[in-house]
Amino acid sequence: GQNIDQPTEMTATEGAIVQINCTYQTSGFNGLFWYQQHAGEAPTFLSYNVLDGLEEKGRFSSFLSRSKGYSYLLLKELQMKDSASYLCAVNRKAQKVTFGTGTKLQVIP
Amino acid sequence: KAGVTQTPRYLIKTRGQQVTLSCSPISGHRSVSWYQQTPGQGLQFLFEYFSETQRNKGNFPGRFSGRQFSNSRSEMNVSTLELGDSALYLCASSVSGTPSQETQYFGPGTRLLVL
Repeated sequence: GQNIDQPTEMTATEGAIVQINCTYQTSGFNGLFWYQQHAGEAPTFLSYNVLDGLEEKGRFSSFLSRSKGYSYLLLKELQMKDSASYLCAVNRKAQKVTFGTGTKLQVIP
Repeated sequence: KAGVTQTPRYLIKTRGQQVTLSCSPISGHRSVSWYQQTPGQGLQFLFEYFSETQRNKGNFPGRFSGRQFSNSRSEMNVSTLELGDSALYLCASSVSGTPSQETQYFGPGTRLLVL
């Protein structure tokens, strides 16, 4: 992805907590999306952060620091079905959305 | 409400041929964006249409083109196919295409294989 960095792969244990980081260039930044994509399926929306801080949605939380160009997705009480790719996407001015290459998360028993 | 639909789901073409992919957005959505997804490059933005007008364009060669009809359905066309065009092509729709206020809903994609 263009100027968006996230780890390629991560492995975590069922029931545990995992944090997926995303760093990006801050120029023209409007907001940051997180999407989940299971293999062979379309991405589905998880969260959208505009302001600094943590937003919690059930087992998933997303954090943003605009000044640092940094976000993370936190997944709690991991389940096997959480095995998927997690895409960080930045919304910039002129309504362009740029995606990172995604983090493939494998949840093991 | 039906989701975003894309046709065909799978397609095999040979180099030099051209291909047309179709996307029907969620009813009431007027913005349609197209993305190319490959394992190495991730999701890359192709273009966005709103009310039959191309509003944004990514960094792809002129072989990639698109259009949108009055009913918001969109097509994208790739001419003179190259092996590197093999990818999953995803279409996403939203009400007005203003990411700061809404999210995009993705279709299942068309998987194109160029031989």
